[in-house]
Amino acid sequence: QKEVEQNSGPLSVPEGAIASLNCTYSDRGSQSFFWYRQYSGKSPELIMFIYSNGDKEDGRFTAQLNKASQYVSLLIRDSQPSDSATYLCAVLRRSGYALNFGKGTSLLVTP
Amino acid sequence: DAGVTQSPTHLIKTRGQQVTLRCSPISGHKSVSWYQQVLGQGPQFIFQYYEKEERGRGNFPDRFSARQFPNYSSELNVNALLLGDSALYLCASSLVDNYRDEQFFGPGTRLTVL
Repeated sequence: QKEVEQNSGPLSVPEGAIASLNCTYSDRGSQSFFWYRQYSGKSPELIMFIYSNGDKEDGRFTAQLNKASQYVSLLIRDSQPSDSATYLCAVLRRSGYALNFGKGTSLLVTP
Repeated sequence: DAGVTQSPTHLIKTRGQQVTLRCSPISGHKSVSWYQQVLGQGPQFIFQYYEKEERGRGNFPDRFSARQFPNYSSELNVNALLLGDSALYLCASSLVDNYRDEQFFGPGTRLTVL
């Protein structure tokens, strides 16, 4: 079982719709969870982080964490073509220093 | 404020050669981590340094080494390059090293081994 799993996609949504990206993790002791956006040929850019169960909203982005189910999600409201990218879920290991990444989900927002 | 900087941007080497990659963290950040990202995969953790001490090492061979300097910049060295070392090498900096600390990535160095 991989430590961090994401559906590789591609996930295609029309412009203006809500994009829902999901991530599961195996280490129940994981403490912190991050979402990075990576455009083709570029480096990952941090867009959201969450530590506590529940929802955290920042503009069009909402991160959701359910530690009991070992599940993290990212919702993007009013999706724009510029949101088309690969979204990486990262989990901070119990040791507290190394990020463990999923393979990423490719999102395509169509005009 | 300047973000994380890395040099060089691109590098082409041949098998068996050695390479040194450089990273300067965000001003005020004391922790630097190195990751390797191959095409189609998420980044894989190589090393973390905090206050010039190695705090952790990922599952990479001893051909990979790193260090952090008093100004918190860092170098990653890879010896005896293999074709499989071709990847995007990412440096990330963070303020400290606790679990609430976000890591911010530099633009990366793309290494091609021929």
